[in-house]
Amino acid sequence: QVHLQQWGAGLLKPSETLSLTCAVYGGSFSGYYWTWIRQAPGKGLEWIGEVNHGGSTTYKASLKSRVSISLDTSKNQFSLSLRSVTAADTAVYYCAGLWLGSYYFDSWGQGTLVTVSS
Amino acid sequence: NFVLTQPHSVSESPGKTVTISCTRSSGSIASNSVQWYQQRPGSSPTIVIYEDYQRPSGVPDRFSGSIDSSSNSASLSISGLKPEDEADYHCQSSDRTGRVFGGGTKLTVL
Repeated sequence: QVHLQQWGAGLLKPSETLSLTCAVYGGSFSGYYWTWIRQAPGKGLEWIGEVNHGGSTTYKASLKSRVSISLDTSKNQFSLSLRSVTAADTAVYYCAGLWLGSYYFDSWGQGTLVTVSS
Repeated sequence: NFVLTQPHSVSESPGKTVTISCTRSSGSIASNSVQWYQQRPGSSPTIVIYEDYQRPSGVPDRFSGSIDSSSNSASLSISGLKPEDEADYHCQSSDRTGRVFGGGTKLTVL
């Protein structure tokens, strides 16, 4: 298990780009799938996508045209970019880690509320 | 892709047992492992069951998981309910296209 600390802008206007970053502390950066998950108000969790240490990404099909997840291995950080946001993208965004060879997210960031409003 | 369907809410009294279901819409429930997360208000989720029925260290044995191929569903059971079990519970699985969460179930301990 590692410690994740995330940050980014919390208020956006429609059509802007959401950008969040997550820093990884206290463990193996190369041993995980690094993931972004969101939760709209009063709703369940929604997997957005993930990246492995080699930089290979997988995205939720319905978001694929707007999302990118990237790594900065020099800083042990990974980032989320979501373009052309609308009110439907308003949610708490979590970064999370899933250890390679396991099946569950054992490390979570604290969550960032992102509100999209004109 | 597939959908995982959970009841929106369940409630039970302290000391009783409650079971939360998670039904997979397509593909076999047994083809990919199912995980369960607990989420208390204002907090990030934490794992309570992984690989269908495995319990991480630190999770009480009051929590148990199972799958039922006949109903294509997974279940989380919590016995000896305590007030601190009141939370949202989310199931999660995967296929070759990515990872999927259920809609979450709010457990109220009356």
